[in-house]
Amino acid sequence: DSGVTQTPKHLITATGQRVTLRCSPRSGDLSVYWYQQSLDQGLQFLIQYYNGEERAKGNILERFSAQQFPDLHSELNLSSLELGDSALYFCASSVSGAGYEQYFGPGTRLTVT
Amino acid sequence: DQQVKQNSPSLSVQEGRISILNCDYTNSMFDYFLWYKKYPAEGPTFLISISSIKDKNEDGRFTVFLNKSAKHLSLHIVPSQPGDSAVYFCAARLLSGNTPLVFGKGTRLSVIA
Repeated sequence: DSGVTQTPKHLITATGQRVTLRCSPRSGDLSVYWYQQSLDQGLQFLIQYYNGEERAKGNILERFSAQQFPDLHSELNLSSLELGDSALYFCASSVSGAGYEQYFGPGTRLTVT
Repeated sequence: DQQVKQNSPSLSVQEGRISILNCDYTNSMFDYFLWYKKYPAEGPTFLISISSIKDKNEDGRFTVFLNKSAKHLSLHIVPSQPGDSAVYFCAARLLSGNTPLVFGKGTRLSVIA
């Protein structure tokens, strides 16, 4: 158990809908990272927050947004969902903003039908 | 364009033998490399890392070798055990600055008893 929690574990929704994925980092970790893993793909970095502020941005679509709250939990919002958004979404946390060793949650499997 | 490549999607090894997982990278600015292990229905787990000032790092049965001139690293597992069966991801990042990890697509290792 990495200490990173993600909810929900599974999510099935229809195209055009909006969903929110939630992540709680390990106790003491200030950085949260979001990754997307599509079928047969590696982990694609989406976005990083450090102590409430956006720190780095990857290939995150404009339809996607994230935030980190004062209690350090983070939410990833996905809107106007398309079939291609079906993927595993992982959250990771690290102590610092440099994030050399990131600890991953179990992921949320999103299925868009 | 994939900056971190794991060209073998799968590898099968007999229990007790050596497993060698390979990873190539294209960005010569990468200075820190990590290996993660992932079991089904779980998030990736940090395994071992190496910085570019070293060419080898060892942790128990796991050794990572780095060949900077060839832009190649490998993970050796000796001896391989059935519990090592998992997907292994290679990741890289720049040592300085706030940059995200770049992951390969992973290699599925099966250790046969």
